[in-house]
Amino acid sequence: GQNIDQPTEMTATEGAIVQINCTYQTSGFNGLFWYQQHAGEAPTFLSYNVLDGLEEKGRFSSFLSRSKGYSYLLLKELQMKDSASYLCAAGNDYKLSFGAGTTVTVRA
Amino acid sequence: GAGVSQTPSNKVTEKGKYVELRCDPISGHTALYWYRQSLGQGPEFLIYFQGTGAADDSGLPNDRFFAVRPEGSVSTLKIQRTERGDSAVYLCASSLRRDANNEQFFGPGTRLTVL
Repeated sequence: GQNIDQPTEMTATEGAIVQINCTYQTSGFNGLFWYQQHAGEAPTFLSYNVLDGLEEKGRFSSFLSRSKGYSYLLLKELQMKDSASYLCAAGNDYKLSFGAGTTVTVRA
Repeated sequence: GAGVSQTPSNKVTEKGKYVELRCDPISGHTALYWYRQSLGQGPEFLIYFQGTGAADDSGLPNDRFFAVRPEGSVSTLKIQRTERGDSAVYLCASSLRRDANNEQFFGPGTRLTVL
């Protein structure tokens, strides 16, 4: 079975940093995806980690530890437009198993 | 630049009716996926097509659900005898290839409401 856990909600101030943790237990694992989903819209790809370590892409960074079944998404210099749901997904070949998503609210 | 499109954007139907949901993937993408997303949850895998064939339909909840992709492009998800529990957003995604590293591009979804 697949078990993907992430916090339900997080709130942060504009300009701050927020870290969204994700733990996973899956049968079969290739890599870890992070998607952003604004309310009523499609999920959009943010990052993909297949090797252990940190991947940095602008204001967003993602980390993976395969041995610990753990990942995090780091959002820096938060902007109001970053208010959205962030979905962690474990990839097994073509199949993605998603967590329930973390709703991030950015306050002025 | 055309992304994944889905029609209709919203569908309201009555319990027991039949519905069809359509997905137009990105041109050239051979892999197509259907997911279902309930309120406050992440997308849940339903079915995966590679070309015209359903390579994995293990996520379909029961035999009221069926999907086709006859020409390897557009796909239709069909739900018979709809139930109130089928109410959700149905998302379609496509990717260039089926391998694990391939980013899946999602459509905006069809919000299905069964009264």
